[in-house]
Amino acid sequence: AQKVTQAQTEISVVEKEDVTLDCVYETRDTTYYLFWYKQPPSGELVFLIRRNSFDEQNEISGRYSWNFQKSTSSFNFTITASQVVDSAVYFCALSRVRGGSQGNLIFGKGTKLSVKP
Amino acid sequence: EAGVTQFPSHSVIEKGQTVTLRCDPISGHDNLYWYRRVMGKEIKFLLHFVKESKQDESGMPNNRFLAERTGGTYSTLKVQPAELEDSGVYFCASSWGLRTDTQYFGPGTRLTVL
Repeated sequence: AQKVTQAQTEISVVEKEDVTLDCVYETRDTTYYLFWYKQPPSGELVFLIRRNSFDEQNEISGRYSWNFQKSTSSFNFTITASQVVDSAVYFCALSRVRGGSQGNLIFGKGTKLSVKP
Repeated sequence: EAGVTQFPSHSVIEKGQTVTLRCDPISGHDNLYWYRRVMGKEIKFLLHFVKESKQDESGMPNNRFLAERTGGTYSTLKVQPAELEDSGVYFCASSWGLRTDTQYFGPGTRLTVL
């Protein structure tokens, strides 16, 4: 069975601090996708990144970076120099590439990030 | 390009009533998904359409839930009769042709059953 664990329920930081959101997943599949979504106070889920399990290169996009470690089944998300606008709930998700439930997203419980000025 | 839209944004109904949620996917997206988040739990998959066909409804909780996708465009999710445990946020998502394509979500419908 597939599972995603986001152990941090809530994190609070002060603006300009760096913050890392943890994501650990479980799957027996050799091929899968990992995702991060952001849910701001307005409610919609905003897509941030999709990563194929074959691609273990870290990714950087502006102040955002993602560290994919297959050996520890982790896909952590770091925000550098956090800003108040980063305040949101962040969800990590996993999807299968083959087999039953292919494409369906399996979510973690989310981490609520509060960035204070 | 318009994103995924959902209507209504909020719905408050009494136990035993019927509610219909609507989702309009991004134009051209073949895949349409419904998910639900109940209080304090994970967002969970409900079902998946490819165009007008149900591909996977393994996540539907019971037969009080009925989903349709008319002509492969918008979709509705009807709950009849609603129970207290149906309260939560219902999200719709859509994606292009492949099941593994990135899903783009709507703002959700918050359903409260009293």
